[in-house]
Amino acid sequence: GAVVSQHPSWVICKSGTSVKIECRSLDFQATTMFWYRQFPKQSLMLMATSNEGSKATYEQGVEKDKFLINHASLTLSTLTVTSAHPEDSSFYICSAIAGELNTDTQYFGPGTRLTVL
Amino acid sequence: DAKTTQPPSMDCAEGRAANLPCNHSTISGNEYVYWYRQIHSQGPQYIIHGLKNNETNEMASLIITEDRKSSTLILPHATLRDTAVYYCIVTEWGANSKLTFGKGITLSVRP
Repeated sequence: GAVVSQHPSWVICKSGTSVKIECRSLDFQATTMFWYRQFPKQSLMLMATSNEGSKATYEQGVEKDKFLINHASLTLSTLTVTSAHPEDSSFYICSAIAGELNTDTQYFGPGTRLTVL
Repeated sequence: DAKTTQPPSMDCAEGRAANLPCNHSTISGNEYVYWYRQIHSQGPQYIIHGLKNNETNEMASLIITEDRKSSTLILPHATLRDTAVYYCIVTEWGANSKLTFGKGITLSVRP
């Protein structure tokens, strides 16, 4: 149980284009989802927290207009990187909390590797 | 800033127990200790968490000192597939509890 998937697993795009990454909780309803990114040889950095049906809360230094987060249902959250640039190339990872399981444990997706040319 | 301190790396022999230490001397009464691991190029995997009692599950055991200022994650019989970065994280219990990842400890299991 508590499986989180991400799609796509990797994506290559041209500079200036937008990329959408999906995060799904497969066997539970996710009351809260998180988005992280990880640069090579660094640790995970939290970008934003989203609760279903409400606006995401962004961490300091993360541009909300560049990283659009939509959490329209209890099983799906999307992260859209708008006007991507090479410096946005990173490993993007989502996590979800299974509120129905009465736990605050975050379960992580497998990650999406974004390369911007 | 991460609230935990871990050695940068350690290794152990396959089949032996791996004991991964973590210091969290500033932990507060309502904070839990969580352990995750990240195998190269994958998302983190939840291992175990605890408040003050020792915990055991099918993956590992968590030993928390009585003063709660440190803990040890024990993998009883390490395998090559346990080679990963292990993160010790302290966080409050709550619906929006954030996880602050430090550098973790790189465990290398040798044949």
